[in-house]
Amino acid sequence: DAEITQSPRHKITETGRQVTLACHQTWNHNNMFWYRQDLGHGLRLIHYSYGVHDTNKGEVSDGYSVSRSNTEDLPLTLESAASSQTSVYFCASSESRGNQPQHFGDGTRLSIL
Amino acid sequence: GQNIDQPTEMTATEGAIVQINCTYQTSGFNGLFWYQQHAGEAPTFLSYNVLDGLEEKGRFSSFLSRSKGYSYLLLKELQMKDSASYLCAVTAGTASKLTFGTGTRLQVTL
Repeated sequence: DAEITQSPRHKITETGRQVTLACHQTWNHNNMFWYRQDLGHGLRLIHYSYGVHDTNKGEVSDGYSVSRSNTEDLPLTLESAASSQTSVYFCASSESRGNQPQHFGDGTRLSIL
Repeated sequence: GQNIDQPTEMTATEGAIVQINCTYQTSGFNGLFWYQQHAGEAPTFLSYNVLDGLEEKGRFSSFLSRSKGYSYLLLKELQMKDSASYLCAVTAGTASKLTFGTGTRLQVTL
């Protein structure tokens, strides 16, 4: 069965470190998205991609970057982790035709100390 | 711009019906999604509305009024497993990206 997987599921790191969260999907979807979820804010879009070599900034992109070198993967990098980036991160993917529902990964809980 | 409002919390009794409202002010509104999210888990797709009216899927129905900027999710014959957060999200223009409301946490009690 097709799926979307995130790794790691949990991570603890220190401020100033570079952190990369992995997202891999086997749906062959062109669209991929990264969100963070915090109490009181809901899901907020960080970056998204509509295909290989395409990346776009979302609502809360400062301090984050992504790259899309193939269809399956969209890694999210925190260049210099800050305590304000402690959150739960979700990756999602969807088909590119019309308004198709997004399929979400199980999330990564990131703590920055 | 985008502004999406949902109640923060609701409580309902097992076997009852509950309606979760969502209002939005979205430039270039295209469609509206509802997702369910159990605590500690990923959101899962429930429904999508692009035209005015009611979409029914088993115990769950979703309604949209584009002119009023209003949607609701109706859950019938509530079960304990329906205790979860319900997320309203909109798309605008030709973009596939979603803008989410803050979600409504539903507690189903005996």
